[in-house]
Amino acid sequence: AQKITQTQPGMFVQEKEAVTLDCTYDTSDPSYGLFWYKQPSSGEMIFLIYQGSYDQQNATEGRYSLNFQKARKSANLVISASQLGDSAMYFCAMRGLSGGGGYQKVTFGTGTKLQVIP
Amino acid sequence: NAGVTQTPKFRVLKTGQSMTLLCAQDMNHEYMYWYRQDPGMGLRLIHYSVGEGTTAKGEVPDGYNVSRLKKQNFLLGLESAAPSQTSVYFCASGLDSSPYNEQFFGPGTRLTVL
Repeated sequence: AQKITQTQPGMFVQEKEAVTLDCTYDTSDPSYGLFWYKQPSSGEMIFLIYQGSYDQQNATEGRYSLNFQKARKSANLVISASQLGDSAMYFCAMRGLSGGGGYQKVTFGTGTKLQVIP
Repeated sequence: NAGVTQTPKFRVLKTGQSMTLLCAQDMNHEYMYWYRQDPGMGLRLIHYSVGEGTTAKGEVPDGYNVSRLKKQNFLLGLESAAPSQTSVYFCASGLDSSPYNEQFFGPGTRLTVL
């Protein structure tokens, strides 16, 4: 079974500062994908960044980077130069083997609510 | 491309009523999913499909049924709605079974069961 843990229900960050959102995962799968999604107050789920378990380098997408530490089973999201529009819920997710049939299921964490302060 | 669309956006039901949520995608994706989102619990998988004519149970399937008669559509049915099914429902689609492909989400349906 796979599990995603996000231990920070809420975070505050000052505008223009960097912030790290924590995510740890548990899996015995040799191959898996890790994802971060943003959910603003409007409700839609927006894909931000992806990291493959075999990727040697940490993923980056603009102001987003994923601090992947495989031995520690962590996949923290780093947002640099925070903006007011970054205020949202952030979900970490993992796609791994579903117990018999391939990489079919995605498991989500409970989310972290980020508030950017002017 | 419209991406993933969901119908309706909002719905209020009385206990015991039935309804069907429609999800449509125009990206020719094989995989489609239905999730529910409740406060403090993230997204939980209800049912999913790995291709036209196939469905499978997810984490919380009780009280729901699904059908995938056409590749582009994935229907979620509630036969006898209960207040515990009050939630926000998200549909998602994915290209294939690779662990390296993200899911694309619809805008969500907010369902209230009185």
